[in-house]
Amino acid sequence: DAMVIQNPRYQVTQFGKPVTLSCSQTLNHNVMYWYQQKSSQAPKLLFHYYDKDFNNEADTPDNFQSRRPNTSFCFLDIRSPGLGDAAMYLCATSRDLEPQHFGDGTRLSIL
Amino acid sequence: SQQGEEDPQALSIQEGENATMNCSYKTSINNLQWYRQNSGRGLVHLILIRSNEREKHSGRLRVTLDTSKKSSSLLITASRAADTASYFCATDLNTGGFKTIFGAGTRLFVKA
Repeated sequence: DAMVIQNPRYQVTQFGKPVTLSCSQTLNHNVMYWYQQKSSQAPKLLFHYYDKDFNNEADTPDNFQSRRPNTSFCFLDIRSPGLGDAAMYLCATSRDLEPQHFGDGTRLSIL
Repeated sequence: SQQGEEDPQALSIQEGENATMNCSYKTSINNLQWYRQNSGRGLVHLILIRSNEREKHSGRLRVTLDTSKKSSSLLITASRAADTASYFCATDLNTGGFKTIFGAGTRLFVKA
């Protein structure tokens, strides 16, 4: 089945140690999104790629970056994670403005 | 503040009862969507209603949209224990971009 896959499901890193989360899709969608979701809160859009065009939300912290080397893969890099960055990170894809398809997320813990 | 606000924040009902969740938003929209999220999982798209539509059905789901009041409701009829999840409304701003803003969600618990 076509899907959005996030690896790993759980990630533990140390305070200040860079971490990369990955997302892959078999849907061939042109738009990929990264969301941050904290406990009992709404998903918050960090940035999205429309094809190769990167779009950063104004309030996304500077230590969050993303790469999309090809249509299928997208990475979220957190350069210097702080305790406040502990959250579920959700990747989603869509074809243009159609409804989004989500992966099951990566839960990030900071020690 | 958030574009979408939902109420109630939490809802507990018996299996077989209907569940109604409401969503209000602030600015002009292209469409409004409802998503479901099981605990520890990603969101799953349920239904999309466009700004020129007033009501839409999908199986046991009924969604209404009132653009004059900037509000929407999601009705789940004949609820089942498997409907236990968080439900989020999401709005696509009428700006031509790809920004979807999610409400805080309603946690639904259906008791068997």
